[in-house]
Amino acid sequence: DVKVTQSSRYLVKRTGEKVFLECVQDMDHENMFWYRQDPGLGLRLIYFSYDVKMKEKGDIPEGYSVSREKKERFSLILESASTNQTSMYLCASSGNWGTQYFGPGTRLTVL
Amino acid sequence: GNSVTQMEGPVTLSEEAFLTINCTYTATGYPSLFWYVQYPGEGLQLLLKATKADDKGSNKGFEATYRKETTSFHLEKGSVQVSDSAVYFCALSESQAGGGADGLTFGKGTHLIIQP
Repeated sequence: DVKVTQSSRYLVKRTGEKVFLECVQDMDHENMFWYRQDPGLGLRLIYFSYDVKMKEKGDIPEGYSVSREKKERFSLILESASTNQTSMYLCASSGNWGTQYFGPGTRLTVL
Repeated sequence: GNSVTQMEGPVTLSEEAFLTINCTYTATGYPSLFWYVQYPGEGLQLLLKATKADDKGSNKGFEATYRKETTSFHLEKGSVQVSDSAVYFCALSESQAGGGADGLTFGKGTHLIIQP
């Protein structure tokens, strides 16, 4: 079974803090994705990566950056967290011709 | 750009009722279509998919048919159970084989509540 794990289920941070959300997949997938999920807005793509050290902006990249130093790990970085980044963050991975598999999500609260 | 529209709910049904959740899409090319399900406190799981027109995806008693002429991918189940209570997301991908190197475009999700 594909396994996508995220470093925390719940996280509380203060405005202005630097926040790292980590995602690891164990299926040697080429592609990895970060989404945020908000009530009434569904899921929106923040960034994705199709190879190590490669990244592409999604629909809402502002305020975020990403890092992919190893194939299995994709990190989402909030350089200076703000209250409007309070959300559920979902990581996903896929092979080049495969379905996306999602992690359990990290619920981030920024105070 | 691409977009997915689905009824938001909540949709409340009694156990054993027939379920339809409507989903329509706009896309520039020939997308692949998906239904994902999210149970309380969990991430999204793929429920079913279809990659070309007239394909029918099915899983766990759920079905959806890719209708190019009406740009729709409605989710149906003949007899729902309490355990089907969840949020259901319709999504599309322009990647030819579906959900590969491109991100998915999601609808806003439909909250389904099944009462015993």
